[in-house]
Amino acid sequence: KNQVEQSPQSLIILEGKNCTLQCNYTVSPFSNLRWYKQDTGRGPVSLTIMTFSENTKSNGRYTATLDADTKQSSLHITASQLSDSASYICVVSPRGGATNKLIFGTGTLLAVQP
Amino acid sequence: DARVTQTPRHKVTEMGQEVTMRCQPILGHNTVFWYRQTMMQGLELLAYFRNRAPLDDSGMPKDRFSAEMPDATLATLKIQPSEPRDSAVYFCASALEAGGFYEQYFGPGTRLTVT
Repeated sequence: KNQVEQSPQSLIILEGKNCTLQCNYTVSPFSNLRWYKQDTGRGPVSLTIMTFSENTKSNGRYTATLDADTKQSSLHITASQLSDSASYICVVSPRGGATNKLIFGTGTLLAVQP
Repeated sequence: DARVTQTPRHKVTEMGQEVTMRCQPILGHNTVFWYRQTMMQGLELLAYFRNRAPLDDSGMPKDRFSAEMPDATLATLKIQPSEPRDSAVYFCASALEAGGFYEQYFGPGTRLTVT
């Protein structure tokens, strides 16, 4: 069973609208949770990194939230732009042992239409 | 601007052939990762190195995959013999580990197709 589950698998929204992507994880204990953006044909690029003690982290129009009690995170995109069309991947880093081993979700594919 | 480079960007080969993928990490980074991405599995860690020493290659099929860092500016991932199920995008990432958690910077990937 995948330790990091994302929903929805894909999403289509109109330019200018907001959207929220979800991530549920079972990795415990964990060190940090990251959201990556992956454009088609490119490698993932980090958007936010949150430690287990943080609740929210923003990066421009991207805001990530974390609830360590329910093991859920969300990524909210405000005023979407065409360039936001990409795959968004939730990544959890376990605490203890090799903290640089990342566990990846399978991503949410977002399409922003004009 | 500093970035991870990977070659080749695309590779099509026949089953049984040897495939070598190369990665140049960001100058000064001391940790290098190899990942494989497929539609079904997403991103999976294959191996990683710190200061050129292999630390973990438990994600790699040992019988056919090998990863090395001949020097600080070059990491290689070799598949011999290749199989159709190896078709995927292979990413290299590098990072500067200095205690705590740290950012990984990904290259553009090598898209491998084995026929």
